Amino acid sequence: GNSVTQMEGPVTLSEEAFLTINCTYTATGYPSLFWYVQYPGEGLQLLLKATKADDKGSNKGFEATYRKETTSFHLEKGSVQVSDSAVYFCALSHYSSASKIIFGSGTRLSIRP
Amino acid sequence: EAQVTQNPRYLITVTGKKLTVTCSQNMNHEYMSWYRQDPGLGLRQIYYSMNVEVTDKGDVPEGYKVSRKEKRNFPLILESPSPNQTSLYFCASSSPRVSAGGTYEQYFGPGTRLTVT
Repeated sequence: GNSVTQMEGPVTLSEEAFLTINCTYTATGYPSLFWYVQYPGEGLQLLLKATKADDKGSNKGFEATYRKETTSFHLEKGSVQVSDSAVYFCALSHYSSASKIIFGSGTRLSIRP
Repeated sequence: EAQVTQNPRYLITVTGKKLTVTCSQNMNHEYMSWYRQDPGLGLRQIYYSMNVEVTDKGDVPEGYKVSRKEKRNFPLILESPSPNQTSLYFCASSSPRVSAGGTYEQYFGPGTRLTVT
């Protein structure tokens, strides 16, 4: 079946550090891939998405590239800020199960000033 | 403003007392879902609906009921809540239509934190 695996947290970084959160997926064909972010006390917001191989999603300085050959969708940011502290979820949707999104377990990110 | 709303946001109740969490979306989306979020488990789908009067079980449906009598509303019903249903619940909606993006991107409500004692 379809699944998403993302790196365990928590991840703690200093402000302005480089961020990578790894995400790999298992699915047939070409799923759509997403990163959602959950700030403290809030719901999930879509951070970025990619719908086909080699697509790069980007938003708020975050980027992720859809890599079909490695079935990966790693999240990166060149210089993190304290305000980026949140839980990040990698997710996929697939036409075979279009009614739902399959989430990874989430990675908690904390940024020190 | 396009949005998914849920009520209540916070609820503390006792074992066995029936409760309903409401969910409404204003985007004319066909698909709606309920998820629960638990530490270390991410989000798991409880029930989903592909259109009015069409509902089906997700990954963790035990102890829950849903109904979809109108396209915009998708209430979650706990007939006899138990402490293991203490969780953070999210409603979400999406559309398969190309005009809506066609990526099945889900829009989430703000969440309902339920505590069952």
